[in-house]
Amino acid sequence: TQLLEQSPQFLSIQEGENLTVYCNSSSVFSSLQWYRQEPGEGPVLLVTVVTGGEVKKLKRLTFQFGDARKDSSLHITAAQPGDTGLYLCAGGSNAGGTSYGKLTFGQGTILTVHP
Amino acid sequence: NAGVTQTPKFRILKIGQSMTLQCTQDMNHNYMYWYRQDPGMGLKLIYYSVGAGITDKGEVPNGYNVSRSTTEDFPLRLELAAPSQTSVYFCASIDRGRKGYTFGSGTRLTVV
Repeated sequence: TQLLEQSPQFLSIQEGENLTVYCNSSSVFSSLQWYRQEPGEGPVLLVTVVTGGEVKKLKRLTFQFGDARKDSSLHITAAQPGDTGLYLCAGGSNAGGTSYGKLTFGQGTILTVHP
Repeated sequence: NAGVTQTPKFRILKIGQSMTLQCTQDMNHNYMYWYRQDPGMGLKLIYYSVGAGITDKGEVPNGYNVSRSTTEDFPLRLELAAPSQTSVYFCASIDRGRKGYTFGSGTRLTVV
């Protein structure tokens, strides 16, 4: 069974601060996705990374996939109250053949950005 | 542009009752999934389907059943509700070859 450990579980910061969320595993993933979820809604895809060492930027958000494809990080620069939400990492694997798109999710990080 | 539609939004069930959670997508996606989300636990896969007539168990299938008679619909059935099934349920779909899910807005189920 593949596991993804996400940390920290909770993050409460002031507007303008920077933060990093980590997603770690002992397993290799073929892809790593990050989702953001607001209360009462389903998760929404932010980014997918597929290559070891890959870095993607989405405005103030920077996503990195580890060289060994076992870990990933999400860095937010100058956080804003609108960034508040639950952030989820999810790993896809092709181990043993096709995975049919199944994902392994981390436990999530609840981010609160105070004005 | 409806995407993935789930009904109902909320439901309270008594122990032993049955219900079906509905999920419909209008994107002609082949792959569909049911996940449950519990606080601090992320999302756990219940069942998935790679096309009409084809379903398979995920990580936590006990107490649930599914069917996939059409590409659009993927209902989740709870036969004998138990308090352990209190959770938020999400349906998701993906087009084969794509790398990100489209989720529904979820069904919050409470079993009392």
